[in-house]
Amino acid sequence: EIVLTQSPGTLSLSPGERATLSCRASQSVTSDYLAWYQQKPGQAPRLLIYAASNRATGIPDRFSGSGSETDFTLTISKLEPEDFAVYYCQQYTRSPLTFGGGTKVEIK
Amino acid sequence: EVQLVQSGAEVKKPGESLKISCQGSGYSFTTNWIGWVRQMPGKGLEWMGIVYPDDSDIRYSPSFQGQVTISADKSIRIAYLQWTSLKASDTAMYYCARGRNLGSSWYYFDFWGQGTLVTVSS
Repeated sequence: EIVLTQSPGTLSLSPGERATLSCRASQSVTSDYLAWYQQKPGQAPRLLIYAASNRATGIPDRFSGSGSETDFTLTISKLEPEDFAVYYCQQYTRSPLTFGGGTKVEIK
Repeated sequence: EVQLVQSGAEVKKPGESLKISCQGSGYSFTTNWIGWVRQMPGKGLEWMGIVYPDDSDIRYSPSFQGQVTISADKSIRIAYLQWTSLKASDTAMYYCARGRNLGSSWYYFDFWGQGTLVTVSS
């Protein structure tokens, strides 16, 4: 099983600041089959990024994904008030599909 | 518009059975995988399994194999998740989500249902 470790657990930032979230895999995520999701309290997760760097439909360009093999990053270039949420990465290179433990981005 | 609409919240006792549902609309339900994801209170996301409605091909996470049954009825565009004997530890929010696999053998999830809260308590 591929274990995904997200860091930091919590990121305290102010609106307008840049957020950098890390997702590290215990084995290589081949072909960059990694996705990122955003989840707000009381809501279902929402797909942000797939294949490591491709934005899903309707996702603002302040969200970007990068990385390969075992190290991946989600960057939010300038935090908007609606971006404060929990973010999860997920690998789909092999079964079982696994998610990281999440990074909470909170208002400082 | 793609929509996945899940059945309502359930409160059950340990040992009872339960079947929750997820109805898809706005896309080809038959030829898209539907996955199930568990989220225990205050915790992260866990993949349970996935079903292909056209032929009912089902893949389970080893963690959930034998614990739940996933199925689909393509004639009415509904996927199901069921338990035969619930435990308190099954208390969680359960999400269905459409699986996508542009080139990969496995899936990420691009549209999600609103979730079904299952509470198991004596």
